[in-house]
Amino acid sequence: EAGVAQSPRYKIIEKRQSVAFWCNPISGHATLYWYQQILGQGPKLLIQFQNNGVVDDSQLPKDRFSAERLKGVDSTLKIQPAKLEDSAVYLCASSTRTSGSYEQYFGPGTRLTVT
Amino acid sequence: GENVEQHPSTLSVQEGDSAVIKCTYSDSASNYFPWYKQELGKRPQLIIDIRSNVGEKKDQRIAVTLNKTAKHFSLHITETQPEDSAVYFCAANSNYQLIWGAGTKLIIKP
Repeated sequence: EAGVAQSPRYKIIEKRQSVAFWCNPISGHATLYWYQQILGQGPKLLIQFQNNGVVDDSQLPKDRFSAERLKGVDSTLKIQPAKLEDSAVYLCASSTRTSGSYEQYFGPGTRLTVT
Repeated sequence: GENVEQHPSTLSVQEGDSAVIKCTYSDSASNYFPWYKQELGKRPQLIIDIRSNVGEKKDQRIAVTLNKTAKHFSLHITETQPEDSAVYFCAANSNYQLIWGAGTKLIIKP
């Protein structure tokens, strides 16, 4: 089966600019996650979708980050305006179910550098 | 909230020796404990997981043990090989999501 797709793979922007990331999960996976992984740390969940509904976005900095999954398939994550501390790898993952107790399949990630 | 602590942060072992990575969790309702391996510049991938109804699970050279009473679980890698070099993350489920440890960088010395 095809894996989780993400684009772009790399992005360099200046602070205060905006950026958007795209994710296409594995076909049929209802649950989609966006993680932020800062160098040397574990993934931090930003937002979790079940189909096109939000399950958890408690750690999403809503003043600058937004995410949507309008048709319950693809998802986009946006940052506006970006800060230096947003430099990280943004990982998208998908899973068959939303309970948190099933394997999560990760995409290759988008490495964001904010200068 | 739920917390997962992972030790050590870096582990260096001689090729062929065993490696053990330990994690503790705080949510007594957690019942799923996966381990992910992340090679440099690559995505995390599941290598083994364990559910709370078993105490140990093995898959060739890797094994995971779980002590629910003490709220800790461990990853054991035997006969380590160069390709085992990576960062390993433990995690525990809590409230429909996974809580991740900070990771252990495993270095295999030739």
